[in-house]
Amino acid sequence: QVQLQESGPGLVKPSGTLSLTCAVSGGSISSSNWWSWVRQPPGKGLEWIGEIYHSGSTNYNPSLKSRVTISVDKSKNQFSLKLSSVTAADTAVYYCARVFNAFDIWGQGTMVTVSS
Amino acid sequence: DIQLTQSPSFLSASVGDRVTITCRASQGISSYLAWYQQKPGKAPKLLIYAASTLQSGVPSRFSGSGSGTEFTLTISSLQPEDFATYYCQQLNSYPSFGGGTKVEIK
Repeated sequence: QVQLQESGPGLVKPSGTLSLTCAVSGGSISSSNWWSWVRQPPGKGLEWIGEIYHSGSTNYNPSLKSRVTISVDKSKNQFSLKLSSVTAADTAVYYCARVFNAFDIWGQGTMVTVSS
Repeated sequence: DIQLTQSPSFLSASVGDRVTITCRASQGISSYLAWYQQKPGKAPKLLIYAASTLQSGVPSRFSGSGSGTEFTLTISSLQPEDFATYYCQQLNSYPSFGGGTKVEIK
């Protein structure tokens, strides 16, 4: 079955760029699904960041749109998140998820801390 | 923006209790609503989509209802493994989540 695995640096400096990758295994990223990023600050709720289709089409949360780029690499069966100009408020667990009916498959999440 | 308001935000219940969580949308979202369960340190797990469709593998004690702006998640008989935080999510426009309902042991 499809599994997702996030990877990337756990520590990012303020004003820097957060970069994460979600590897898709057990299935193709070119299937008829959107692929999303969601984050959760410590002790808080869930926030949708954005999504991508294998064609490269994207949708972003308007509150983050100016700082977010999501891309897809079909050759590696993965998709990526870049969040620029980060501050401490971007400290969170970042999840990738498959969108099928709803968000039916999630990665385990990766904690990213923004600190100098 | 579509805002989702969950109530209550905290719920104390006993094993065997019937539990109901409400999610209200700031505007109509038809049936584009999902429910998730999240346990500490774990990713959310999809329970229900399209307001009332049970995700494969989810126990039948979970059920969802509603359309438009008001939705409910019901657990018919609370089990020890059900103590967790529950979130609603709307997918009518760009996705957003409710603030969560933490279900704790009484």
